[in-house]
Amino acid sequence: KQEVTQIPAALSVPEGENLVLNCSFTDSAIYNLQWFRQDPGKGLTSLLLIQSSQREQTSGRLNASLDKSSGRSTLYIAASQPGDSATYLCAPTGNQFYFGTGTSLTVIP
Amino acid sequence: GAVVSQHPSWVICKSGTSVKIECRSLDFQATTMFWYRQFPKQSLMLMATSNEGSKATYEQGVEKDKFPINHASLTLSTLTVTSAHPEDSSFYICSAQTGTSSGANVLTFGAGSRLTVL
Repeated sequence: KQEVTQIPAALSVPEGENLVLNCSFTDSAIYNLQWFRQDPGKGLTSLLLIQSSQREQTSGRLNASLDKSSGRSTLYIAASQPGDSATYLCAPTGNQFYFGTGTSLTVIP
Repeated sequence: GAVVSQHPSWVICKSGTSVKIECRSLDFQATTMFWYRQFPKQSLMLMATSNEGSKATYEQGVEKDKFPINHASLTLSTLTVTSAHPEDSSFYICSAQTGTSSGANVLTFGAGSRLTVL
């Protein structure tokens, strides 16, 4: 069974800082990896999808990298804003989907 | 893009009653849907995988008789919380598996259903 760990569990930064969220997984036999955002009490919003053959994906201020062989992915957020405050979840996808425990991000104005 | 609609978004019920939560894929067909549960301040936990036309596969610790799933069509999966108790109060989220142009599968999530059992 895939085990997914996200570090740090919580992060608080002042507005404008660049930050990195980490995701590690135990089973490298994945098709892709998705990063999601979850606002309190809400469903999930897909942020980025990286195919297993890719090394990174970018969308606006977000950049996600994938090192499948080592079982790691990072989400880089540039110039953080208060609206980025949310919980970020990674989900490596093989035959099933498993989620990390999430990183709760707070961006202080 | 793909849209998944979940209904109801929130429900309050008395202990002992049963509650149905619907998950619909609006503009695509989903042969596989997933049901998750999330308790406060915890991560999503997969409850079951639902395949159209066949029995759902439940994760360890999730009772199929307690949470029966009906996935009778390619656009609708229904989760029932039977004889609900306060400890069933949670946020239930469904997702549908879609395909990308490259053929790999991605997830699209519903907005979630918050269940409160009194």
